[in-house]
Amino acid sequence: ETGVTQTPRHLVMGMTNKKSLKCEQHLGHNAMYWYKQSAKKPLELMFVYNFKEQTENNSVPSRFSPECPNSSHLFLHLHTLQPEDSALYLCASSQDIGEGTGELFFGEGSRLTVL
Amino acid sequence: AQKVTQAQTEISVVEKEDVTLDCVYETRDTTYYLFWYKQPPSGELVFLIRRNSFDEQNEISGRYSWNFQKSTSSFNFTITASQVVDSAVYFCALSRPAYNTDKLIFGTGTRLQVFP
Repeated sequence: ETGVTQTPRHLVMGMTNKKSLKCEQHLGHNAMYWYKQSAKKPLELMFVYNFKEQTENNSVPSRFSPECPNSSHLFLHLHTLQPEDSALYLCASSQDIGEGTGELFFGEGSRLTVL
Repeated sequence: AQKVTQAQTEISVVEKEDVTLDCVYETRDTTYYLFWYKQPPSGELVFLIRRNSFDEQNEISGRYSWNFQKSTSSFNFTITASQVVDSAVYFCALSRPAYNTDKLIFGTGTRLQVFP
């Protein structure tokens, strides 16, 4: 069983819907991340949180809204999405961002389809 | 600019063949880390190895080996005697520790299919 759990695993939504993706890590890590994986493209870093504080927003459109209530939970709130936002959204965690060691632990992803 | 290139989009081999996945990177940093991650069909990326820029020793772990060459900015990954369970997408990545973040720059990945 993975130490990073993402729900739902699959989500289909219309462009006017509001939904949320949830990520929970059971590893005692302090940093959490959202990545977007689209076909034929490199993984794109979206947001980074360290000790619940957002440390990076990689020019992500405001229709994606992250929330990190504590170091174990991370949400991605979705509203007014576009079809091109259809992708696999991966959550990851790491011990912290202090040393940039890069060892991230990923969840299995939430496959989002926007109709 | 930092960039990771994995020119091989997809590789197919028959079980027990050796296969090498190529990775070429670009960076102006003198200190950096290189990584390989594996993404099986279940979706989660699994960390395989980290190598820092000052350590050019090749590494072997079971059937896996990595060849880091700064002169050619390459960090290639070889699987010896491939098995069906090796079928996955493999990502090479670069990080910039000087920026105090685990921000990884990924390549586009190489899909490896191992047939029985």
